[in-house]
Amino acid sequence: DIQMTQSPSLLSASVGDRVTLSCKASQNIYKYLNWYQQKLGEAPKLLIYYTNSLQTGIPSRFSGSGSGTDYTLTISSLQPEDVATYFCQQYNSWPLTFGSGTKLEIK
Amino acid sequence: QVQLQQSGAELAKPGSSVKISCKASGYTFTSYYISWIKQTTGQGLEYIGYINTGSGGTNYNEKFKGKATLTVDKSSSTAFMQLSSLTPDDSAVYYCARPYRPVQSHFDYWGQGVMVTVSS
Repeated sequence: DIQMTQSPSLLSASVGDRVTLSCKASQNIYKYLNWYQQKLGEAPKLLIYYTNSLQTGIPSRFSGSGSGTDYTLTISSLQPEDVATYFCQQYNSWPLTFGSGTKLEIK
Repeated sequence: QVQLQQSGAELAKPGSSVKISCKASGYTFTSYYISWIKQTTGQGLEYIGYINTGSGGTNYNEKFKGKATLTVDKSSSTAFMQLSSLTPDDSAVYYCARPYRPVQSHFDYWGQGVMVTVSS
């Protein structure tokens, strides 16, 4: 199985900050990488698919990039409602696998 | 609007089985597969497998073969997952989710999750 490693596991930032979350795959996943946001007590919500495609209805402050084994989710200006845990997911190989998440807090 | 409505929380004894449901609405049920995902604090998100809602064909993550059985009732637009021979390690929140494309894709809609607790 492809291992997905997210860093950091916990991130504390201020409102308005530019925030970068990292996701590294154990092998090349050819941009088949999605990002989800999960708020406390809720189901995950799709933010970004195929590395950099913004899901409908998601604010443009969210963006994704990367290739090969290294991927990034960026929030250009952190908002209070962005407090959540963020997961990456690869779908290049079976079985689909998820990262362990980055918990984002407001400083 | 697209909705996946899951059944309620389950409390089960070790060795027993539970069957949880996922009722779809707001789209043509047989046009999309349904996948199932397990979430625990310790192991995070784990992909269980999917069911082809049109044919009933299934594919399971090797880790969940023999543990999970996926079925579908097209007449009620409902997918089911049965978990058997339950142990405390099966205690988790289980989500159904709709993959945008068959098999390997992103999940654009999720159910609200079902908490399964296995305890004697």
